[in-house]
Amino acid sequence: DTGVSQDPRHKITKRGQNVTFRCDPISEHNRLYWYRQTLGQGPEFLTYFQNEAQLEKSRLLSDRFSAERPKGSFSTLEIQRTEQGDSAMYLCASSPRGRGRRNEQFFGPGTRLTVL
Amino acid sequence: AQKVTQAQTEISVVEKEDVTLDCVYETRDTTYYLFWYKQPPSGELVFLIRRNSFDEQNEISGRYSWNFQKSTSSFNFTITASQVVDSAVYFCALSEKGGQGGSEKLVFGKGMKLTVNP
Repeated sequence: DTGVSQDPRHKITKRGQNVTFRCDPISEHNRLYWYRQTLGQGPEFLTYFQNEAQLEKSRLLSDRFSAERPKGSFSTLEIQRTEQGDSAMYLCASSPRGRGRRNEQFFGPGTRLTVL
Repeated sequence: AQKVTQAQTEISVVEKEDVTLDCVYETRDTTYYLFWYKQPPSGELVFLIRRNSFDEQNEISGRYSWNFQKSTSSFNFTITASQVVDSAVYFCALSEKGGQGGSEKLVFGKGMKLTVNP
């Protein structure tokens, strides 16, 4: 029983560089969420996919951020021209189909981004 | 707008003590869900419980119990006879139906760091 996986687990980059993170959800889950967690805070919602369609984006998701889920399976989150304020843990979560279970979100281990 | 408040930021107890983590929420919806997650030092969020707004029955699972009171908008979590392995950050979260495209995104509190000392 594989859970949600994320790659890489850690990323250190210099300000101005682009970075891309990958999330592989649990295989039968059609819903996928990205969250961002800064030190000492709870996770904050970034964006939501149902299958391959990106259906909700937070105002936190500036135009430097883009997310895709091309075949409704894995998802990528790209940050262009990184800034020091982007340093955070980026969490991916997936949830299953089914009326009673759609809001059970299972989280991956996260990608910790440090922007120098 | 939804909001979750965890007033305690950090608690330290000695093993075998009972500890209660408070959670107060705000929402305009009548249908919503409440959650508790555990985040150990490894960083991965571990799901503990989900409760819907129509079910005010308290729940017990081993050493864990949850007290949901709609009248006070609270969903408190008690760990009985705490153990060192319970040391983690605990988050309370809220989701509502009716997000864009069926999103049921979670709104988290700031978390409460529990340290259980031997």
